[in-house]
Amino acid sequence: GAGVSQSPSNKVTEKGKDVELRCDPISGHTALYWYRQSLGQGLEFLIYFQGNSAPDKSGLPSDRFSAERTGGSVSTLTIQRTQQEDSAVYLCASSLDERVYEQYFGPGTRLTVT
Amino acid sequence: AQSVTQLDSQVPVFEEAPVELRCNYSSSVSVYLFWYVQYPNQGLQLLLKYLSGSTLVKGINGFEAEFNKSQTSFHLRKPSVHISDTAEYFCAVTRSNDYKLSFGAGTTVTVRA
Repeated sequence: GAGVSQSPSNKVTEKGKDVELRCDPISGHTALYWYRQSLGQGLEFLIYFQGNSAPDKSGLPSDRFSAERTGGSVSTLTIQRTQQEDSAVYLCASSLDERVYEQYFGPGTRLTVT
Repeated sequence: AQSVTQLDSQVPVFEEAPVELRCNYSSSVSVYLFWYVQYPNQGLQLLLKYLSGSTLVKGINGFEAEFNKSQTSFHLRKPSVHISDTAEYFCAVTRSNDYKLSFGAGTTVTVRA
């Protein structure tokens, strides 16, 4: 079946611009996660959505970062006023629910801020 | 909070030789442990997980790992590697009542003929 998909696969943007990254989880998966993979920080948790519950935003690095999940499916991660330190690969993952400790990852979006 | 240390950043190995990737974690509570593999320009793929039960866990592609609670370790092994095992490997941990994964820094395995 279809896995987690992310778009775009690559994004180059100028410093100060806003960007939106999209994640399509596996159909039927109620839990969705965003992680960031960067050279300096490794893999970091950003945000978690589970069903209709309030998201866990504890990993977002600043208030320039936000995310939403519409209809319990597709999620968008938005970075406002991008900075060079935002350059990283942004990975999305989903799981059947929060009790199933197997997260399926998408291929990621490579963001480069120039 | 839990943390994960992968003791080797790079592991070169010859084809058909065994490999061991070391992972230690620190946590004061019960944890679940995972190994993920990331092939070039791809997302992470789960190799195996330890939730409970037998401390020797078998995963995909011939990998296995052993959970050692007293040494807080979860080392990954494969008795005979292939060129196709060239990838980056990540150890991850989460508390048993949590869902956020904490990852190690990764170990790059390069298999040479």
